[in-house]
Amino acid sequence: EVQLLESGGGLVEPGGSLRLSCATSGFTFGTYAMNWVRQAPGKGLQWVSSTSGTGDSTYYTDSVRGRFAISRDHFKSTLYLQMNSLRAEDTAVYYCVKGLYNDILTGHYPDDAFDIWGQGTIVSVSS
Amino acid sequence: QSVLTQPPSASGTPGQRVSISCSGSTSNIGSNDVNWYRQLPGTAPKLLIHNNNQRPSGVPDRFSGSRSGTSASLAISGLQSEDEADYYCAAWDDNLNGWVFGGGTTLTVL
Repeated sequence: EVQLLESGGGLVEPGGSLRLSCATSGFTFGTYAMNWVRQAPGKGLQWVSSTSGTGDSTYYTDSVRGRFAISRDHFKSTLYLQMNSLRAEDTAVYYCVKGLYNDILTGHYPDDAFDIWGQGTIVSVSS
Repeated sequence: QSVLTQPPSASGTPGQRVSISCSGSTSNIGSNDVNWYRQLPGTAPKLLIHNNNQRPSGVPDRFSGSRSGTSASLAISGLQSEDEADYYCAAWDDNLNGWVFGGGTTLTVL
């Protein structure tokens, strides 16, 4: 069974930093794209970042580019999101999401559906 | 303001068929596949339809998707009370080089 478990969320002041982690199990981590999607309180879904199965390719939404960095540790089967220079508008539930297709075999990335979602971790940016 | 446009709400009675639209442009829906997600209250979203009209394993055939030009649609037949949820469409956008979502549609079963 595929499992995604996010951690690292919390309360941080504007301008501060947080690193989110997503521990995964139940699939071959290095062969699937991974993503972060967030949802501000009472709002809809917003894509944040994606990384290919190998980690060689990354994409970011404009509002976080240069402040956030997505990465993956294949030995630990863990996905990360380093968030710097945090702003109030970054306040949201952050979901770790596994891609649908085997990235290595199909080459679907980045046009790959969001298959399995974690339960989310809450990030609150406030003074 | 979302890049993809969905009606904010939809409703139907048990057993009825409802449809939710998703409108985009040539750089997203017009060029790439559309995926649909369902979010039950207080839970994480779940993939409902991928590649315009494909159902993941476990999703009932009451749910169907279609795409035409720069628009897509999700249809739910045989509406049930447990279908009350928020529904989101999404597609890759070639101009933005990123994923775009619709604003979401809240479905109410009357």
